[in-house]
Amino acid sequence: EVQLVESGGGLVQPGRSLKLSCAASGFTFSDYYMAWVRQAPTKGLEWVASISYDGGSTYYRDSVKGRFTISRDNAKSSLYLQMDSLRSEDTATYYCTTGYYFDYWGQGVMVTVSS
Amino acid sequence: DIQMTQSPASLSASLGETVTIQCQASEDIYSGLAWYQQKPGKSPQLLIYGASSLQDGVPSRFSGSGSGTQYSLKISSMQTEDEGVYFCQQGLKYPLTFGSGTKLEIK
Repeated sequence: EVQLVESGGGLVQPGRSLKLSCAASGFTFSDYYMAWVRQAPTKGLEWVASISYDGGSTYYRDSVKGRFTISRDNAKSSLYLQMDSLRSEDTATYYCTTGYYFDYWGQGVMVTVSS
Repeated sequence: DIQMTQSPASLSASLGETVTIQCQASEDIYSGLAWYQQKPGKSPQLLIYGASSLQDGVPSRFSGSGSGTQYSLKISSMQTEDEGVYFCQQGLKYPLTFGSGTKLEIK
């Protein structure tokens, strides 16, 4: 059974940092592009970042470019999102997901940016 | 960026009714489109990819069609468990973009 389990969320002040992790199991992690998708409270889905199979290529939405860093460790079947210089508009549930059509999703982790 | 315009924003349907949701891309996405269902408090679920391919385990009453810039999701016989919010998403180019969602309720 495919499982994606996110962790690392919480309440953080504007300008501070947070690192999200996603532990994957039940599939060959290195065979998949991976991505982070977020959803602000009561809002729609917003793609944040993607990473290629070996981590050699990364892609970001403009609003997080230079602040967020996506990475992966295939030996640990884990995906990460380092979020720096956080803003209130980054407040959302962050989902770890697979591919570029997102076929598997984690349960999501809440990130709240507030003073 | 490719803009995805979804319609309607909300609709209600009776049990057994056929439901259609539309999604328009701001440029040709060459069938690079997916549909998702999200129920309250839950993660989204992939229904359709490549505009018309049914994801494993998804009931056959769901179908997708379209080409170029115009796509649609059809539910052939509305069931209670189909209530939720539906999103389209283009997978052709980064940044990957979603439609704003369609809230589907039982009438």
